[in-house]
Amino acid sequence: DAEITQSPRHKITETGRQVTLACHQTWNHNNMFWYRQDLGHGLRLIHYSYGVQDTNKGEVSDGYSVSRSNTEDLPLTLESAASSQTSVYFCASSLDPDQETQYFGPGTRLLVL
Amino acid sequence: GDSVTQMEGPVTLSEEAFLTINCTYTATGYPSLFWYVQYPGEGLQLLLKATKADDKGSNKGFEATYRKETTSFHLEKGSVQVSDSAVYFCALRGTGNQFYFGTGTSLTVIP
Repeated sequence: DAEITQSPRHKITETGRQVTLACHQTWNHNNMFWYRQDLGHGLRLIHYSYGVQDTNKGEVSDGYSVSRSNTEDLPLTLESAASSQTSVYFCASSLDPDQETQYFGPGTRLLVL
Repeated sequence: GDSVTQMEGPVTLSEEAFLTINCTYTATGYPSLFWYVQYPGEGLQLLLKATKADDKGSNKGFEATYRKETTSFHLEKGSVQVSDSAVYFCALRGTGNQFYFGTGTSLTVIP
């Protein structure tokens, strides 16, 4: 079955370190998204991509970067982790804008000490 | 800008009680509206959606009607079960095809 996976599921790191969270989908979806989930804020969009080599900033992109070298993967990098980036991170994908429905991965819980 | 406001939780109900979770939105144009559900330890799953005014989305006994005049998309279920315990997110697909999510409402159903 097609799916969307994230790794690692849990990560502890120290402030200042670079961290990369992986997202892989096997639906061949063009669109991929990264969100962070925090209490009192719901989900907020970090970055998104509408296809290979395309990346766009979302609402809370500062301190994060993404790259899209193939259809299946959209890794999220925290250039220099900060305690404010402690959160649960969700990756999502959708076939195209008109498809509308987003399919979410299981999430990565990140703790920055 | 586009945004979604949903009722604060947590909500605790007895099994077979009636559920309403309020959601209102602000958007330019006519966005598509969604309810997503998140079960413990999992990612979000689409519960239902409506793409135009007066549409009713429904799934698993849940319903929501797109009300343009009141800019609302309230989630309802006539008889909740313990298995409905989860966090529910209202969302809209708005400007630039981006999704905007509410803060989530936690529901606990007790036997």
